[in-house]
Amino acid sequence: AQSVTQLGSHVSVSEGALVLLRCNYSSSVPPYLFWYVQYPNQGLQLLLKYTTGATLVKGINGFEAEFKKSETSFHLTKPSAHMSDAAEYFCAVSGTGNQFYFGTGTSLTVIP
Amino acid sequence: DTAVSQTPKYLVTQMGNDKSIKCEQNLGHDTMYWYKQDSKKFLKIMFSYNNKELIINETVPNRFSPKSPDKAHLNLHINSLELGDSAVYFCASSQFQGVTEAFFGQGTRLTVV
Repeated sequence: AQSVTQLGSHVSVSEGALVLLRCNYSSSVPPYLFWYVQYPNQGLQLLLKYTTGATLVKGINGFEAEFKKSETSFHLTKPSAHMSDAAEYFCAVSGTGNQFYFGTGTSLTVIP
Repeated sequence: DTAVSQTPKYLVTQMGNDKSIKCEQNLGHDTMYWYKQDSKKFLKIMFSYNNKELIINETVPNRFSPKSPDKAHLNLHINSLELGDSAVYFCASSQFQGVTEAFFGQGTRLTVV
């Protein structure tokens, strides 16, 4: 079975500061991992994904994430936060079972 | 063109009513999903269809009935609505189950009064 844990339901950073959103997964098979962003009153938009290959994955809007199998982690980072990054972020894992398992989400606030 | 479209975007209805939410995807995907997002933003899968066939049916009251007339459409019908059904419902689609990402619709905010 697969599951995802997102540490920190709320994260606040200053504009221009590093963004770090944490995600740990549990999977009995090699996982496929995803980060989604949800802006207010909108659907989920894919930021980036890891399936196979390079463990450092670059996504849209300057975000990237690193798959670390030994730590079962897939943390999302961005070097410099912008006001427009304020949103809800979801980590997800998929594998056998044919469904996506989402974390509980992390609300990112960017302080001007 | 919107890849995954849901209608309506907002739905306000009284307890006990029956309502439907429609979903269409123009991505050519063969798998479609319904998710429920509660007030705490938690996303829970409700159903998954692959080529019009029900694949996943999580613990959802049988008042909820999905219908897939073809692989581009997955509608959600809800009978005897209850206050606890108030949530945002998202439709999503993907090409291969669990192999590629899911594409989401804009959501339908259901409010039961």
